[in-house]
Amino acid sequence: GENVEQHPSTLSVQEGDSAVIKCTYSDSASNYFPWYKQELGKRPQLIIDIRSNVGEKKDQRIAVTLNKTAKHFSLHITETQPEDSAVYFCAAGYSTLTFGKGTMLLVSP
Amino acid sequence: SQTIHQWPATLVQPVGSPLSLECTVEGTSNPNLYWYRQAAGRGLQLLFYSVGIGQISSEVPQNLSASRPQDRQFILSSKKLLLSDSGFYLCAWAGLSTGELFFGEGSRLTVL
Repeated sequence: GENVEQHPSTLSVQEGDSAVIKCTYSDSASNYFPWYKQELGKRPQLIIDIRSNVGEKKDQRIAVTLNKTAKHFSLHITETQPEDSAVYFCAAGYSTLTFGKGTMLLVSP
Repeated sequence: SQTIHQWPATLVQPVGSPLSLECTVEGTSNPNLYWYRQAAGRGLQLLFYSVGIGQISSEVPQNLSASRPQDRQFILSSKKLLLSDSGFYLCAWAGLSTGELFFGEGSRLTVL
């Protein structure tokens, strides 16, 4: 089955800095790579996703890149704000999704 | 629009007691449904998924079971809870055209 590794587990940045979270996956059949944001005590919510026929996707301050050859994908958040503080999960799959263990992002004012 | 609800939101159960968590989806038909568990405030582990009534696939061996008695209803059960069953349980449905997972509000289970 699919195995997703996510790094780092914790990331602290200053407001305005950029944050990068990286994931690797094992199953070359995976073709869908979403990123979820989970605030404390709440449900995960999709923030951006990418499919295997695309190398990069941007939505305002967030972007995701995908390298299918190397089997890794990354989340980039620019101009971070305190409200970006949360746990971020990457996932990979085709019929079911396998999630990484999450990255706790802390943005300090 | 589609909505997903699960309940109860919080429960505290003694070891050895039974469990029933319920999830319903509205506004869509024949959805793929999922149960995930989140332990220790982190990673999401897929427990069960269902592509239709009575069709259940188990991802990990455990003392939990799932059932789908109706198209938009998904139930997670246990006959005897273990301490290790404590966690945050999330039901989800998948948008077939996009693959995106939509999660319910979650059920926080504490086994004492």
